[in-house]
Amino acid sequence: DTEVTQTPKHLVMGMTNKKSLKCEQHMGHRAMYWYKQKAKKPPELMFVYSYEKLSINESVPSRFSPECPNSSLLNLHLHALQPEDSALYLCASSQGLHPNYEQYFGPGTRLTVT
Amino acid sequence: DAKTTQPNSMESNEEEPVHLPCNHSTISGTDYIHWYRQLPSQGPEYVIHGLTSNVNNRMASLAIAEDRKSSTLILHRATLRDAAVYYCIHYGGSQGNLIFGKGTKLSVKP
Repeated sequence: DTEVTQTPKHLVMGMTNKKSLKCEQHMGHRAMYWYKQKAKKPPELMFVYSYEKLSINESVPSRFSPECPNSSLLNLHLHALQPEDSALYLCASSQGLHPNYEQYFGPGTRLTVT
Repeated sequence: DAKTTQPNSMESNEEEPVHLPCNHSTISGTDYIHWYRQLPSQGPEYVIHGLTSNVNNRMASLAIAEDRKSSTLILHRATLRDAAVYYCIHYGGSQGNLIFGKGTKLSVKP
């Protein structure tokens, strides 16, 4: 099974709301990632977790807060978002951080901030 | 910043082979060459990767130039389901920072 699942598929939230995106994989992968993708643009890396520890934060605003409660789960907590944060949020996982490992992506959560 | 150069778009006929080129002149000796594709309204999908030798899998073949400054993704028989944006990435270090370029949008005509 090479599946990465993400919930919800779609999310509409106001600028004062707090919401969370969830990502899950059962491939035994020890690295997990969050990407952001605006329309007609390539995905941009946001965060990298390795063995449940934050490895990379690509200067993401603090209104995005990642969490890796265990090796299978990755959350992205959202609060006080801006309309320009509307995008497709993609989760991915890989066996590890070595570049010989491929990344498996989920279908994404399409977020709209009103 | 990992940098690759790909054509913005390419067109192919169904059932014919497709050769998608990629230049990565700044690649370092330990960088791997990865290809991903993204179908409309889906997350990216891993296609193939390699270091120095040509690689084959059930989806595609990857031909890597001897100097490693370019590579070509080969789809042996294009189908309508292969219409997607194809991303070539040279990926190094051990930080997991896969940097996507603009990719090539492949259209497949029936």
